[in-house]
Amino acid sequence: EVELVESGGGLVQPGGSLRLSCAASGFKFTSYEMTWVRQAPGKGLEWVSSIISTGDSMYYADSVKGRFTISRDNAKNSLYLQMNSLRAEDTAVYYCAREFGGGSWGFWGQGTLVTVSS
Amino acid sequence: EIVMTQSPATMSVSPGERATLSCRASESVTSKLAWYQQKPGQAPRLLIYGASTRATGIPARFSGSGSGTEFTLTISSLQSEDFAVYYCQQYHKRPPFTFGPGTKVDI
Repeated sequence: EVELVESGGGLVQPGGSLRLSCAASGFKFTSYEMTWVRQAPGKGLEWVSSIISTGDSMYYADSVKGRFTISRDNAKNSLYLQMNSLRAEDTAVYYCAREFGGGSWGFWGQGTLVTVSS
Repeated sequence: EIVMTQSPATMSVSPGERATLSCRASESVTSKLAWYQQKPGQAPRLLIYGASTRATGIPARFSGSGSGTEFTLTISSLQSEDFAVYYCQQYHKRPPFTFGPGTKVDI
């Protein structure tokens, strides 16, 4: 059974940093592109970043480019999101998701809440 | 960036009725269109990918159609567990992947 478990969320001050983790199990991690999607309170879904299976290519939303870094450790079946220079507008639930069907996301974690506030 | 729009923003439906949700792309996304269902406090759930293929375990009352710029999600006979927010998402041109703003289906 595919399982994705996020961790690392919490309260951080504006300008601060946080590192999110996503532990994956139940599938061959090295075969799949992985993605972070976020959802601000009461708002819709926003794609944040994706990384291909080998980790050689990463993609970012303009809203986080230059501040967030996606990475993966295929030996540990883990996905990460390093978030720097955090802003109030980064406050959201962050979901880890696995690719399915050529670009959609068929498996999601439960999400981890990031709150940026002083 | 491909902009996705959805209509209506909210729809009120009775159990057993048919619901038709629309999604439009600002340019062609061919058939690279997915639909997700999200209930309060839960992660999104993939319903449809490739515009019309049901994901694993999705009931047959959910169907997707369309290609290019116009897409439809139909729920043939609404069940109580179907009241949720539905998002469309394109994955034809990326980055960025883009979502529609969602359609809330309530009673």
